[in-house]
Amino acid sequence: GAGVSQSPRYKVAKRGQDVALRCDPISGHVSLFWYQQALGQGPEFLTYFQNEAQLDKSGLPSDRFFAERPEGSVSTLKIQRTQQEDSAVYLCASSFRDLNEQYFGPGTRLTVT
Amino acid sequence: AQSVTQLDSQVPVFEEAPVELRCNYSSSVSVYLFWYVQYPNQGLQLLLKYLSGSTLVKGINGFEAEFNKSQTSFHLRKPSVHISDTAEYFCAVSDPRGGRRALTFGSGTRLQVQP
Repeated sequence: GAGVSQSPRYKVAKRGQDVALRCDPISGHVSLFWYQQALGQGPEFLTYFQNEAQLDKSGLPSDRFFAERPEGSVSTLKIQRTQQEDSAVYLCASSFRDLNEQYFGPGTRLTVT
Repeated sequence: AQSVTQLDSQVPVFEEAPVELRCNYSSSVSVYLFWYVQYPNQGLQLLLKYLSGSTLVKGINGFEAEFNKSQTSFHLRKPSVHISDTAEYFCAVSDPRGGRRALTFGSGTRLQVQP
């Protein structure tokens, strides 16, 4: 019944590889958010879905970042041709509706070598 | 655009002492305000939130915060801390009227409770 889950929890990628990070939101939650948290910093917004619609992707740092939520539930954040500056913890959060409390997953720690 | 400033990156305090973690925000519109806690290798957990109404908000684990509109502050307080409160604390804002639904976070304050 649990909360938001993310997989994998840890990912090591060589520079130039593509990665895919998965988020399973709480069942029934309409809104889903992705954040990037660099070491020693607060989370920074990447993108937002309402059901399957991606309503805001203003935080995606480059066109190498792509997110989808095709059936309005599970979401995948894909990073193509990873760079060292992509190393961070990627957090997923979901909420029942807009502006309601966001529940966060444990994050995926991505290390690009 | 909104921004959040957490003035202290680290706050050391002895067990059973009171603590205040400071948060100031910058926004031209009314905002929603939140405090989250992050334990090592875990996601963020909501401590408390201010949406409207009473400016004194009580949260979980004995924490409370006071919204001060004139000073654009939302400081977090606890009268007596425990070792288990050692964690990273993040203040965040969202704009209930704008199109953006995301939270804007401060850079965090590490609370270190010493025995």
